[in-house]
This record gives sequence, C-alpha cells and structure tokens, in this order.
Amino acid sequence: QIQLVESGGGVVQPGRSLRLSCAASGITFSSHGMHWVRQAPGKGLEWVSVMWYDGNTKYYADSVKGRFTISRDNSKNTLYLQMNSLRPEDTAVYYCASSGGNAFDIWGQGTMVTVSS
Amino acid sequence: DIQMTQSPSSLSASVGDRVTITCQASEDISSYLNWYQKKPGKAPKLLIYGASNLETGVPSRFSGSGSGTDFTFTITSLQPEDIATYYCQQYDNLYTFGQGTKLEIK
Repeated sequence: QIQLVESGGGVVQPGRSLRLSCAASGITFSSHGMHWVRQAPGKGLEWVSVMWYDGNTKYYADSVKGRFTISRDNSKNTLYLQMNSLRPEDTAVYYCASSGGNAFDIWGQGTMVTVSS
Repeated sequence: DIQMTQSPSSLSASVGDRVTITCQASEDISSYLNWYQKKPGKAPKLLIYGASNLETGVPSRFSGSGSGTDFTFTITSLQPEDIATYYCQQYDNLYTFGQGTKLEIK
C-alpha cells in the first residue's frame, strides 16, 4: 500500500525548533522527489521545500529559507524537515508529498505545528 | 517569483452544473500547471497534471486546458462530492499555488 505518514508536529514556543518526519512505504522512495507543503489555518496551500531523489538538490520557499532544512535518508525511506527559529506564522498543517515528475501525486495526511507562547 | 491568480475565490453552483475556474500566471509557464482538490481535514488530491492530463482514477467530468499564462479547470456536471477547494500550481520555476477557489453547493 502506497503511504506517506508524517510525524513530529506539536506545540512549540517562538524561536524554538522542531523536526518533522515523513515515512514512506509502497513506493521506490529513492526515485522520487519529495516535498513539504503547508496550510496555515484558514489559508491556502503553500509549497515549502523540495529535495530531489538524489538527496543533493534542494530548494526552499523564501518564507523559510535559512531557517528550515530538508533532508532525506533513502535507506530508511524517510524525509525530514528541521525547522529552526520558528515563528507564529509557521503555524500550519505540514504535508509531505512525493512527485512523479513535477506533479505531487502522493500525499501524507499531515501533521500540525503550532507556534505559540 | 511566479504568481498564480485564481478566479473566482469562491463559487456556488447546483448539482449538475458546469463549473469553470480560471488560473492566470504572472509569466509564461508553458503547460507546467497542475490542479488539486482539497477537502477539509483531508490531504490534497492531484486531479490534472501538465495543464490537461487527467490523473489516473480521476473522474472524466474533471478537465483542464490552457497554456502560457491562462488556464481553465472545468467540472462538466457538478456532483455533491466535488465540494472542496481547488488549487492550481505552477512548476515552471519552483512551485507556487494559486490562492484557491472554494466550491459550494447552491
């Protein structure tokens, strides 16, 4: 069964850090580009970051550049998002998604991150 | 950065209606456009990729067209289960989503 499962969300104070994980099953993980996408409460979808299948190429949205780091462990079929210097505006449901080509065709159910004092 | 503008922001239609959503890119993106459906509490779902290609398993009442800067997403006969928010997304230069179109039943 093809599945992406996110974990690691929670409530964190501004300025603190959090690491999200996304465990993949049923796909050839090492062949897929992997993304993080978020949705703040009442807002639309926002692309956050991508790491290509090889683990060497990565890109970030301007809103998180310099604070978030994407990584992957192909031996564990797992994608990560290290989030540092968190801000209230980072509060959102964070989804991981795999891309066959450039379409995000498989999505996880999301993990909620709340940044609040 | 490429900006994506969808219209309308919200739409009310009756079951069986033909529904059309437009998406405009701030610059030429060729056919590098996808469409997604998002229901509350659910993960987004890919419907259309490459502007006009129907994802496997998606009902044929959904379709997409366009190229360059102007794109259209159509539901030919609205069903109750189509109530959702729809997003366009460009992938010509990284990735940008439109602001979404919330579709409601009249």
